[in-house]
Amino acid sequence: SAVISQKPSRDICQRGTSLTIQCQVDSQVTMMFWYRQQPGQSLTLIATANQGSEATYESGFVIDKFPISRPNLTFSTLTVSNMSPEDSSIYLCSVSRGNRNTEAFFGQGTRLTVV
Amino acid sequence: GENVEQHPSTLSVQEGDSAVIKCTYSDSASNYFPWYKQELGKGPQLIIDIRSNVGEKKDQRIAVTLNKTAKHFSLHITETQPEDSAVYFCAASSITSYDKVIFGPGTSLSVIP
Repeated sequence: SAVISQKPSRDICQRGTSLTIQCQVDSQVTMMFWYRQQPGQSLTLIATANQGSEATYESGFVIDKFPISRPNLTFSTLTVSNMSPEDSSIYLCSVSRGNRNTEAFFGQGTRLTVV
Repeated sequence: GENVEQHPSTLSVQEGDSAVIKCTYSDSASNYFPWYKQELGKGPQLIIDIRSNVGEKKDQRIAVTLNKTAKHFSLHITETQPEDSAVYFCAASSITSYDKVIFGPGTSLSVIP
C-alpha cells in the first residue's frame, strides 16, 4: 500500500481566486492521478500527473483551469484556478505503482467550497 | 474511452443478509477491476480486486465475480454488518490506458440492524 497525505484537507475560497492542493506519498510511485468528486457523485478523473512532463488531461478538463505539477516520484500539486461555486467538490489524489501492479490508493481528499 | 455502469444506486439490507452490486464495463481492453468502499468524509478504500485472468475471488465475507465475455462483474457481501454501510464503487482499469481507474456511479449500501 501507500500512505498519501493531501493538504489542505478542506478550504473555503472566494470566487475568482486559486487554490493549490498538495499530494505527498510516502514512497516512490509510477503513476499519480487527480480526481474530482462532486457532492453525492462518483469520482471523475481530471488528469494523470506525469513526472517531468505536462500532465495528461481527460476530456472536459484543461490545463489553464487545473494546472498540475509533478516534480518527482513522490509529490504532485493540483491548482484550481479562477474558482467559481461550480468548482466546489472534493479533490482526490491517487497513486499507483504501475508496472502491472495496478492497485490504486487514494488520499483523504481536499474538500473545497467556493463562495 | 471506458464507461462503467453500476446497479443498484441504493441498496438496503437487513443485518446478516447478503448484498450484491453489479457492474458492467465497455472497454474490452480493461483487465483490472477494483472495488472501493467510501465512508463519509474519507477517501475511497480498496476492498477487493480481480484481474481478467480470474473468474472469482473471495476474501472472508467479500467475493467478486467476473464474466469477461459479458463484460459484467459483481460484488457479493455475505453476513452484512452495520459497519458495511457505505458507498461502494466498482471500477475498471487497463494497462493500455496507463492504469487509469474509471469509476462507476456508486451504490449506497445501508445495513439495518
